[in-house]
Amino acid sequence: QVQLQESGPGLVKSSETLSLTCTVSGDSISSGYYWGWIRQPPGKGLEWIGSIFHTGSTYYNPSLKSRVTISVDTSKNQFSLKLTPVTAADTAVYYCASTTSGTYVWGYWGQGTLITVSS
Amino acid sequence: DIQMTQSPSTVSASVGDRVTITCRASQGISIWLAWYQQKPGKAPKLLIYKASSLESGVPSRFSGSGSGTEFTLTISSLQPDDFATYYCQQYNSDSTFGQGTKVEIK
Repeated sequence: QVQLQESGPGLVKSSETLSLTCTVSGDSISSGYYWGWIRQPPGKGLEWIGSIFHTGSTYYNPSLKSRVTISVDTSKNQFSLKLTPVTAADTAVYYCASTTSGTYVWGYWGQGTLITVSS
Repeated sequence: DIQMTQSPSTVSASVGDRVTITCRASQGISIWLAWYQQKPGKAPKLLIYKASSLESGVPSRFSGSGSGTEFTLTISSLQPDDFATYYCQQYNSDSTFGQGTKVEIK
């Protein structure tokens, strides 16, 4: 059973960089499939941010592509998200997730972490 | 970009009711559609993938159908644990979620 846990600062200042890490347990991040980030503004719906395949290939939401970087650290079994610069519109619960096949079916999710962007 | 539109936004129903939620894609996505259930303060949970395939462990009262641009999620007999928000997601091209449908107690 794959388990994912997000970590990072809960508060980020506007115009700065949001950095989050997802630690994977129960499986190797190199074993296959997609690892991704999805966010949910308070009271709103879900938005896919981007994904990284186990090979290292990255895929980003076109609306966020210019501000997003996703990377993987296989030695730590972690993958990370960087979003810069941030604005108040980036305030959301950020989830890391993984697929169970070679498609974007998100079978495993972290518990989510609320990131607030302050001015 | 593929847009996903769910209807209705809210469903008021009673235990035992049959509930149907519709999801429409702005262009054809074949059967590359998933449904998720989300409860307050929790991460979404995968219910159905490939439009009609039930995820392991999900009760059989949940079913999905459709292809192309129109899809439905049906709960055959609503149970107390089913009051939640439901999201469709296309994965034919990247990943896009619908805006969600809240199933509330009537």
